[in-house]
Amino acid sequence: QVQLTESGPGLVQPSRTLSLTCTVSGFSLTSYNVGWVRQPPGKGLEWIAAIWSGGTTDYNSALKSRLSISRDTSKSQVLLKMNSLQTEDTAMYFCARSGTEGMDHWGQGVMVTVSS
Amino acid sequence: AIQVTQSPTSLSASLGDRVTLTCRASQDINNKMAWYQQKPGEVPQLLIYYASTLQSGTPSRFSGSGAGTDFSFTISHLQSEDFATYYCLQGYDLYTFGAGTKLELK
Repeated sequence: QVQLTESGPGLVQPSRTLSLTCTVSGFSLTSYNVGWVRQPPGKGLEWIAAIWSGGTTDYNSALKSRLSISRDTSKSQVLLKMNSLQTEDTAMYFCARSGTEGMDHWGQGVMVTVSS
Repeated sequence: AIQVTQSPTSLSASLGDRVTLTCRASQDINNKMAWYQQKPGEVPQLLIYYASTLQSGTPSRFSGSGAGTDFSFTISHLQSEDFATYYCLQGYDLYTFGAGTKLELK
């Protein structure tokens, strides 16, 4: 069945770079798109980035200068990097299979805290 | 970027009530609107996509409608497990979530 699993550090220091991995199973990254969504504690959902099945990428315009999304199809992994982290980047980060119909399968999320 | 305005921010209702939420997009998004339910500590669950198509497993008391810029989401007969936060999501041009509606028991 379709599964997505996020992994990454739970704690990152301010100004450092966050690296997150989404490992997928049950579908191919060359057939489906994958995106990242984050949710600060007690707040709403924010789309961050997507990598399309063809390998092209898109980013939230408000975060674009700090983001990089890539994939390793041999490992079925999508990688997200965000630099210059600030306390307001503290959030649960989800990866999700994505299409024009929305995001139909989500990982359980990984909580990232930005603190010194 | 497309903006999505969701209302109301919160809503108090009783078991058995019919409730309707709305989302308005800043430009025509055809029918590329989805609706999600999220309970505390849980992952968002897709309920409806393409404005009115029920995701597999979504109970029939949930429905969606709209096209263009105006969309609505209705729960016809509230049950206890429906009290949660609901989000809309446009998928026409990249993605934008609405701010959410917290549905609470009156």
